[in-house]
Amino acid sequence: GIQVEQSPPDLILQEGANSTLRCNFSDSVNNLQWFHQNPWGQLINLFYIPSGTKQNGRLSATTVATERYSLLYISSSQTTDSGVYFCAVVETSGSRLTFGEGTQLTVNP
Amino acid sequence: KAGVTQTPRYLIKTRGQQVTLSCSPISGHRSVSWYQQTPGQGLQFLFEYFSETQRNKGNFPGRFSGRQFSNSRSEMNVSTLELGDSALYLCASSRGWTPDRDEQYFGPGTRLTVT
Repeated sequence: GIQVEQSPPDLILQEGANSTLRCNFSDSVNNLQWFHQNPWGQLINLFYIPSGTKQNGRLSATTVATERYSLLYISSSQTTDSGVYFCAVVETSGSRLTFGEGTQLTVNP
Repeated sequence: KAGVTQTPRYLIKTRGQQVTLSCSPISGHRSVSWYQQTPGQGLQFLFEYFSETQRNKGNFPGRFSGRQFSNSRSEMNVSTLELGDSALYLCASSRGWTPDRDEQYFGPGTRLTVT
């Protein structure tokens, strides 16, 4: 099956700093989603981005499908950005999301 | 539009018992998928239902089963609970017509503890 790798596994920042999270995947995908898992466990949708670039406030994402990677950018980080960020993909003709291991982000005041 | 709802939010069960979890998808969505999250295995796919039929299944033992009703609500059942079944169970909802392209939306999860 498809493999998803996220880096870095852990990231510690000071409030106001910028960061880039990376997601590599091993095969063609028609669906790529970025999630933020809140402290209560719910996965919050950040981006649906199988290709191209999107922005939402301080967050933006880029997926280069031909090179099989996606990047999530967080600018001017805030303590509320802390948590685990997951990348998940659905391979062509599939329906299940395959998740990476996640990036644990800690933003200190 | 209301989001995905899951009940109950928390459960404590004893080894050997069985448990049923419920998920109500976003209105108009026909597909419901279930995922298990544990510290050791991460997020793993259990199964997906579309129009009351299981369309996809992950690599879990037969103790894990599910069903979907005509209103798209879904239940999953775990029989003969084991300690290793302690996990956060997440349900995801999507339109379902283009499964490899549909955006999936998650509920708040059910946290199951088996003692």
